[in-house]
Amino acid sequence: EIVLTQSPGTLSLSPGERATLSCRASQSVTSNYLAWHQQKPGQAPRLLIYGASSRATGIPDRFSGSGSGTDFTLTISRVEPEDFAVYYCQQYGSSPRTFGQGTKLEI
Amino acid sequence: QLQLQESGPGLVKPSETLSLTCTVSGGSISSSSYYWGWIRQPPGKGLEWIGSFYYSGSTSYNPSLKSRVIISVDTSKNQFSLKVSSVTAADTAVYYCARGGTITDVVVVWGQGTLVTVSP
Repeated sequence: EIVLTQSPGTLSLSPGERATLSCRASQSVTSNYLAWHQQKPGQAPRLLIYGASSRATGIPDRFSGSGSGTDFTLTISRVEPEDFAVYYCQQYGSSPRTFGQGTKLEI
Repeated sequence: QLQLQESGPGLVKPSETLSLTCTVSGGSISSSSYYWGWIRQPPGKGLEWIGSFYYSGSTSYNPSLKSRVIISVDTSKNQFSLKVSSVTAADTAVYYCARGGTITDVVVVWGQGTLVTVSP
């Protein structure tokens, strides 16, 4: 099973700042099948990024994903007030699919 | 627009079977080449993949749950279901149904989720 470790656990920023979230895999993620999901309190998650760097439909271009192999990054170029949430990475290249423990982006 | 809605009992007794249904609207399970599946999230914790299936029928399960989980589909009702047997308090979670992609089961569309509590 691939273990995904996200860092930091909590990221405190102000609107307008740049956010960099990390996801490290215990072994190489097949075909860079790595996704990022955003979850706000009381809501279901929402897909932001798939294939490590492709934005899902309707996702603003301030969100970008990068990385390959075992190291992946989600970057928010300028954090907006609505971006404060928990972010999860997920690998779907190997079974079982696994999620990271989450990074909370807070004001 | 595709929508997924989970339904089922919100309270299940220990050792019994948890049963949930996901009703799909705005799209057809049988006529679309997509993956479908279930994910859960214990209160205040992270996400756990339960399993997924392709529209043509192949199913994959998380080995940690495989012996207790069955995912099935009813194309006539445009629904798919989850059964988890021999539940304990550790199975208390928000259960999400989801639609994946056409090539992989990355979760593209999430249902709103339903809380299931396991308690006497």
